[in-house]
Amino acid sequence: KAGVTQTPRYLIKTRGQQVTLSCSPISGHRSVSWYQQTPGQGLQFLFEYFSETQRNKGNFPGRFSGRQFSNSRSEMNVSTLELGDSALYLCASSLAPGEGNTIYFGEGSWLTVV
Amino acid sequence: GENVEQHPSTLSVQEGDSAVIKCTYSDSASNYFPWYKQELGKRPQLIIDIRSNVGEKKDQRIAVTLNKTAKHFSLHITETQPEDSAVYFCAASNYGGSQGNLIFGKGTKLSVKP
Repeated sequence: KAGVTQTPRYLIKTRGQQVTLSCSPISGHRSVSWYQQTPGQGLQFLFEYFSETQRNKGNFPGRFSGRQFSNSRSEMNVSTLELGDSALYLCASSLAPGEGNTIYFGEGSWLTVV
Repeated sequence: GENVEQHPSTLSVQEGDSAVIKCTYSDSASNYFPWYKQELGKRPQLIIDIRSNVGEKKDQRIAVTLNKTAKHFSLHITETQPEDSAVYFCAASNYGGSQGNLIFGKGTKLSVKP
């Protein structure tokens, strides 16, 4: 069974540009969440989707957005990129939200903003 | 919202010694506490988890303890080996509540010296 797949793995963008990251969850998993990982702040929750609906949202500005499609695949978008957006963006999937459903992470997308 | 504090941020031990990482959480409604291990350049992977109705859980050399009264949980690794070297993250969640996503601590970098 394939794991959580994220694309692209590495990308470099310029300040002011926008970026879209993609996540394909494990087959059968319907819940997808996104995290930003930086050396100083650890893993910070961005948002969680289940059945195409955003269930929870972390404390990030409106430049960060996401969506989930009917096949459970998810995308996140960051507009008007800032240098501080440089980070590893991790997607995670689980069967459904809730206790007992282990969350599995993808390898992440490394974003560098120059 | 939930806040998770993790200590220490770095930990160095000799091979064969034990390692203990501690986390405290703020939301008394949190009921699920997983621990993730992230090796350099790799995805975080679940190593053990505990639910609020259990005080301790063991899996070979790894154990987790939970003190709900003190809102405190710890990871114990015995007979450490060089391959245990990684960053360990604790997390807390209130599944079933309004904020069901995982909130992570900032991580502990464990170094096991041969």
